[in-house]
Amino acid sequence: AQSVTQPDIHITVSEGASLELRCNYSYGATPYLFWYVQSPGQGLQLLLKYFSGDTLVQGIKGFEAEFKRSQSSFNLRKPSVHWSDAAEYFCAVGHLNAGNMLTFGGGTRLMVKP
Amino acid sequence: EPEVTQTPSHQVTQMGQEVILRCVPISNHLYFYWYRQILGQKVEFLVSFYNNEISEKSEIFDDQFSVERPDGSNFTLKIRSTKLEDSAMYFCASTSGRNTEAFFGQGTRLTVV
Repeated sequence: AQSVTQPDIHITVSEGASLELRCNYSYGATPYLFWYVQSPGQGLQLLLKYFSGDTLVQGIKGFEAEFKRSQSSFNLRKPSVHWSDAAEYFCAVGHLNAGNMLTFGGGTRLMVKP
Repeated sequence: EPEVTQTPSHQVTQMGQEVILRCVPISNHLYFYWYRQILGQKVEFLVSFYNNEISEKSEIFDDQFSVERPDGSNFTLKIRSTKLEDSAMYFCASTSGRNTEAFFGQGTRLTVV
C-alpha cells in the first residue's frame, strides 16, 4: 500500500538558519510528489511538485526539494528560514490511477525562533 | 488568481443531524475532491469526482456520505447523520487534469456536539 512518512513531527529552527524537512514514500510506480504548507487556520497551499525530469525542483517562497528514487525520499529544503515560514508542512504522493487522489504524510510542524 | 472557495468556514451541528458542506472549485477544473483532517491527524482522502460520478472513494466514505455537483459551479459533501467522530476540517480540492496539482480550499471546520 502507498504511504508517506514524515519522521519529524516538530522541528524548531532559528530565523536565518537552513531547513530540511524529511519525507519518505512507498509507492509502486513513479511517484508524483508534492509539498503543501498549512498556516494556522488556513488551507493547504502548494509549495512545489515533482512529476518528472530534473530531480531538484524549485517552489515558491524560496523552497526546493530533491527527489531521490534510490532513497524513496523527497526532502524539502530552504537555505534561510524566515519567521513567516512557521507552519505545518505536508508531503504527499499522487495516485494517477486512483482518481488522482493524494496520500499525505503526517505533517511536520515548523517553529521558528527569533 | 482563481481559487477554491468553501462555505461555511465553521459549522456546528448536533449529532444525528444532516450537514451539507459546499465548495466552488476553480471554474475550468474537471476533477473534484474531498479530504478531511481530524484535529492533530493527517489529511485523509475521502472521495474524487469526475464527469459527474465518483471515480474513487476511501473506506471512510461510507453510506453516510454523498457528493453532488448540482449545477455547473458547486460541489457538495453531505453527511446524512453526523457522528461525534465526523468532527474535522473538511477540505475541497480541484484539478484541471490527471497529472496536475490539486488546489485546496480554506476548509470547513465541522464540529459535531
